Order: sequence, then C-alpha cells, then structure tokens
Amino acid sequence: NAGVTQTPKFQVLKTGQSMTLQCAQDMNHEYMSWYRQDPGMGLRLIHYSVGAGITDQGEVPNGYNVSRSTTEDFPLRLLSAAPSQTSVYFCASRERGGGNEQFFGPGTRLTVL
Amino acid sequence: SQQGEEDPQALSIQEGENATMNCSYKTSINNLQWYRQNSGRGLVHLILIRSNEREKHSGRLRVTLDTSKKSSSLLITASRAADTASYFCATEQGAQKLVFGQGTRLTINP
Repeated sequence: NAGVTQTPKFQVLKTGQSMTLQCAQDMNHEYMSWYRQDPGMGLRLIHYSVGAGITDQGEVPNGYNVSRSTTEDFPLRLLSAAPSQTSVYFCASRERGGGNEQFFGPGTRLTVL
Repeated sequence: SQQGEEDPQALSIQEGENATMNCSYKTSINNLQWYRQNSGRGLVHLILIRSNEREKHSGRLRVTLDTSKKSSSLLITASRAADTASYFCATEQGAQKLVFGQGTRLTINP
C-alpha cells in the first residue's frame, strides 16, 4: 500500500513553460486535493475533486488546471509557469464524507525561474 | 483568506514541558483536525474533533474545541525532541473542503 505518491520530487521550470505534477493514490479514496505551501502562508487549497469527473476550485486556482478521469489519479497542470508559482505542492486524499483523516503525499518542490 | 489562524506562530520549550497551541477560525465547521509536519515532509493527521465534542485525547495529545468562541487548542504533554515540527489546524466546512491555518512551529530543546 503506497498511499499517496507524487512525482517529480523536485522540478525547475523557466517562466512560460508548462508541466504536469502527478498524483496517485491506491486507497480508493474519492476525495483528492492539491495544496501549495509557501513560507509563512501555511497550506492553501488549489483544486479539489470529490470523485472521478468532478473537480472544483479552492482558494488559489488561478494558473492551474486539474482533471480527474480515474479514482486513482489527480494531475495538476501549470499551463504557463510564473515565478509566483514557486512553491511546494502537496497532493492529498481521503474517503468521501465528513470527518475523515486526510493523507498527504511527500510533496513536489517547484522552482520557476 | 485562510480559515484557521494558529497562535503562537512559533514556540520553543524545554523537553518534558507541555506545549499548547491555539487555533481560531471564522465560520461554522463540521469538524476540526490537527496535523503535524516534520521539516521537508508531508502532513500527518494527529486528531479530529467533531463540532459536537468539547475535548478529545489521544496519547499525549489533548484537543479542546469551543464552538462559541470559534477556537481550538492542542496540548502536547511531556514533550520530547521528536515532537519538534510544525502543527496545523484544519477546519472542514461545507463541500468537504479542508482548509488549513498557517501553523505553529514548535521546537523542543533538549
């Protein structure tokens, strides 16, 4: 049982480049989400999904796209990277319904030059 | 804007002492959760308290919730060096979103 996995662990992009951060979970969780963590800012919710085919915006969705074609995978796409997107990105999953523990991936450290 | 605000932002105590962190939030919640983050790692769930509960214990952890004041506290008793980490509260609101505060950075000195 691998839990929540994220790839890559580290990434450096140039301004304007695009890339996809991968996230997968093997716990059959319906709910998945993406957060970014900046120094002194805690975690901010980017996008989330309550099941395959269903996504919604969080607090800071601009500049990011998501899709959820399977229960297991929830990729995050940066369409045109900007230095303001330099951050650590965490993917998380949990069972649908309230009051459930959220499991986090190890994070992707992204630097945009 | 973020829902939860932790206080203090940083806390440094001696090993064996108790550590108390507070969390305030703004809107009605379904439950409140506390997470720990070791440096450079993902977050790990510690404890969940539902909106109809006032206090909950788990090992050396004690969490209280006061919905009238929209606040929660996390107490770690008999602290150890391994407790050094950042601690975050997270509130679950409608649509099952889990919104995190900015965290308290706890340092346990030997």
